[in-house]
Amino acid sequence: DVKVTQSSRYLVKRTGEKVFLECVQDMDHENMFWYRQDPGLGLRLIYFSYDVKMKEKGDIPEGYSVSREKKERFSLILESASTNQTSMYLCASSGLAGVVETQYFGPGTRLLVL
Amino acid sequence: DQQVKQNSPSLSVQEGRISILNCDYTNSMFDYFLWYKKYPAEGPTFLISISSIKDKNEDGRFTVFLNKSAKHLSLHIVPSQPGDSAVYFCAAPSEGWGKLQFGAGTQVVVTP
Repeated sequence: DVKVTQSSRYLVKRTGEKVFLECVQDMDHENMFWYRQDPGLGLRLIYFSYDVKMKEKGDIPEGYSVSREKKERFSLILESASTNQTSMYLCASSGLAGVVETQYFGPGTRLLVL
Repeated sequence: DQQVKQNSPSLSVQEGRISILNCDYTNSMFDYFLWYKKYPAEGPTFLISISSIKDKNEDGRFTVFLNKSAKHLSLHIVPSQPGDSAVYFCAAPSEGWGKLQFGAGTQVVVTP
């Protein structure tokens, strides 16, 4: 059974803190994605990766960075958290690089930045 | 600029009746569409998809219709059940690399 896990379900951080969100998939998928979900805006792509050590900017990359050192793990980093980064963060993975396939999502991390 | 639009943020329907969710898109190059369902505190899960070579795809109680000339698709749920209460997202692939463009979502509430 397909599984995408995220390191935390809920996080509370202070403005200016460095925040790490971890995502692990067990399906040997090539593609991994980070989204944020906000009311009325749907899911917006922050960054994605189609291979180890490869990363591409999504639609809203400002204020974020990512790391993919191993195929199964994709990390999202908020270098200096701000209140406008309070959101639900969703990680997803899909099979073949460059091929449209169903994306499988983790349960999400709800981040509150005070 | 959002290329996939869901203009109805919410929908309330009685149990047993039909739910109709709408989605419009602006990019005529889109040739595949997906619907995802999301419960609170869970990630979205894939529900149903349709290729542009078809105008209808059915899976149990869920049917998606595609009108390419109008750049419009709709998801029908018949009959609606309380477990269908969730947020539904329409999505389309864009720019390669397996990326998806998502709509803003429609919250469906099925009442007894």
